[in-house]
Formats: sequence, C-alpha cells, structure tokens
Amino acid sequence: AQTVTQSQPEMSVQEAETVTLSCTYDTSESNYYLFWYKQPPSRQMILVIRQEAYKQQNATENRFSVNFQKAAKSFSLKISDSQLGDTAMYFCAFMKLTGGATNKLIFGTGTLLAVQP
Amino acid sequence: EAGVAQSPRYKIIEKRQSVAFWCNPISGHATLYWYQQILGQGPKLLIQFQNNGVVDDSQLPKDRFSAERLKGVDSTLKIQPAKLEDSAVYLCASSLRGSSHYGYTFGSGTRLTVV
Repeated sequence: AQTVTQSQPEMSVQEAETVTLSCTYDTSESNYYLFWYKQPPSRQMILVIRQEAYKQQNATENRFSVNFQKAAKSFSLKISDSQLGDTAMYFCAFMKLTGGATNKLIFGTGTLLAVQP
Repeated sequence: EAGVAQSPRYKIIEKRQSVAFWCNPISGHATLYWYQQILGQGPKLLIQFQNNGVVDDSQLPKDRFSAERLKGVDSTLKIQPAKLEDSAVYLCASSLRGSSHYGYTFGSGTRLTVV
C-alpha cells in the first residue's frame, strides 16, 4: 500500500521569503503522479502543482516549484516570494496510474504554513 | 465553469441521529469522489463513482454509511446512525472520465460535528 508522509506539521515564513515543504512517499509502483494541494480556511482543496513520475524535469507553476527525487521518493514544494494569501494547510498527495477507473488520491497529514507580514 | 457545490456547509447532530450531505459535481464530470477529513489528518477516500456506478467503496463503513449517485449527476452521502468519531469534514470532488491524473476539483466540504 502507498503511504505519504509530511514530517512538518507547521511552518512559518516571512512575507517575500522562500519556504520549502517536505514530503516523502512509499510505493513499489513505477508509474504515478504526485500533487500538492492547498487548503485555506474556506476548506476547498486547490491544486497547486502536479508532477508525473516518468518526467525527470521538475514541475513549476509561477512562484511554486517542486524538487522531485524519484529514487529517494521525495517530493518537496518550494514557494518563492511568499505572500499572505499563501497561508493555508498544504497537502502532498499520491496517485497510482492505473488502466482502469480507480485513481484515488492518497494524502499526507498536511503542513500548516503561516506567512508572517 | 461552476465549481463543485456541496450542502450544507455545517451540520451539528447528536450521536445516533442520521444526516445526509449533498454534492453537485461540475457539469460533464463522470467521476465523483467523497472524502472524509478528520481534524489533523489528510482526506481519506470513502467512495468513488463512475457515472452512477460504484468504482471503489473499500473504505466506506457500510454498516452506517451509504451513498448514491442517481442519474450519474448529483450524489448524496448518508450516515445512520452517527457516532462521535464521524465528526469530520466531508469533501466531494469530481473529475472528467480518464482525466483524474490531472487532479480533481473539490468542493468546500461539509463540516459535521457529532455531539
């Protein structure tokens, strides 16, 4: 069974600075996807960034980028130029690639990020 | 496009009572998911529908939880009878058939408190 571990329950960063959130996962699969979701107080889970395991190039989305280390099973999220609106719970998630209809997301326990003014 | 709609936003019930949550996915999204998010934990899949058929309900406590998706659109999740440990946020999400690997679209969830 796949597991996702986020070892940092809480983090804090000053506005405009850079912060990195850690995530490790355990799987025997070779084809899968990894995601970072943001959950603000509104509770809606918002997709931040995704990574396909077969791609060596790290994904980037504006101020958000990942460091994907497949051999180490590590998938960290870097937020540059942190903004107050980045304050939220961040979840790392894993999805096994299957040929069928079952593609469930397996989530970590989350990291609460607070951006300080 | 309109997002995933869920109601109610909050619900407080006494243990042993029943409760129902409603979800309206994004138009055209064939796949619908219900997740349970207990405080301090990541969301856990309860049930997944493809159109109106169940794809995965392996983690649904079937003695008290039930879900249906009539006509392959709206879905209802029911708990009867509720226990204290059912206190959680219940998230609904949807995705296009065959496109779940691009990520789901989630609703804002229903926060259930069982007292």
